[in-house]
Amino acid sequence: AQTVTQSQPEMSVQEAETVTLSCTYDTSESNYYLFWYKQPPSRQMILVIRQEAYKQQNATENRFSVNFQKAAKSFSLKISDSQLGDTAMYFCAFIADTGRRALTFGSGTRLQVQP
Amino acid sequence: DAGITQSPRHKVTETGTPVTLRCHQTENHRYMYWYRQDPGHGLRLIHYSYGVKDTDKGEVSDGYSVSRSKTEDFLLTLESATSSQTSVYFCAISAGGGNTEAFFGQGTRLTVV
Repeated sequence: AQTVTQSQPEMSVQEAETVTLSCTYDTSESNYYLFWYKQPPSRQMILVIRQEAYKQQNATENRFSVNFQKAAKSFSLKISDSQLGDTAMYFCAFIADTGRRALTFGSGTRLQVQP
Repeated sequence: DAGITQSPRHKVTETGTPVTLRCHQTENHRYMYWYRQDPGHGLRLIHYSYGVKDTDKGEVSDGYSVSRSKTEDFLLTLESATSSQTSVYFCAISAGGGNTEAFFGQGTRLTVV
């Protein structure tokens, strides 16, 4: 069974600064995918970024980038130039390429961007 | 936006009563999921479906049942609601394959009193 751990329940950052959210996971699978989802106060789940485990290059999407360390089973999210609209819960998620095709989520990190 | 609708959006029910939540999709996606979200736990998988009449349990399936008689509908039933089932419930859909994005409904806030 897979597990996903987010050890930072809450974080705060000043507008325009950079913040990094941590995520570690445990799996015996060799091929899998990792995701970061954002949940603003509206409760909508929004995909921020995805990473394929077989790719060494870290994924980037505009101000969002990841630091994927496969050997360490670590998958952190870096948000650059933080904006007030980034205030949300952020969830790290995992899905294996075989077996059960369902996302396993971490417990989430609540990010507050301060003006 | 992906065509996925949950109903109802809010519900208050009494302990011991049956409750059914509906998820409807217009994307013809193969996979459908029910998750519950509770503070400190993130989203936890209740049940999922990988085709019509094909379902399987997740980590927190006790007290819940599901049915999928059509591709577009996935029903979650609480046979006899308990206060521990007070939560926000999310339906999600996916075309399949690990890389495929999962799309989520707006969530249903269920309160059992």
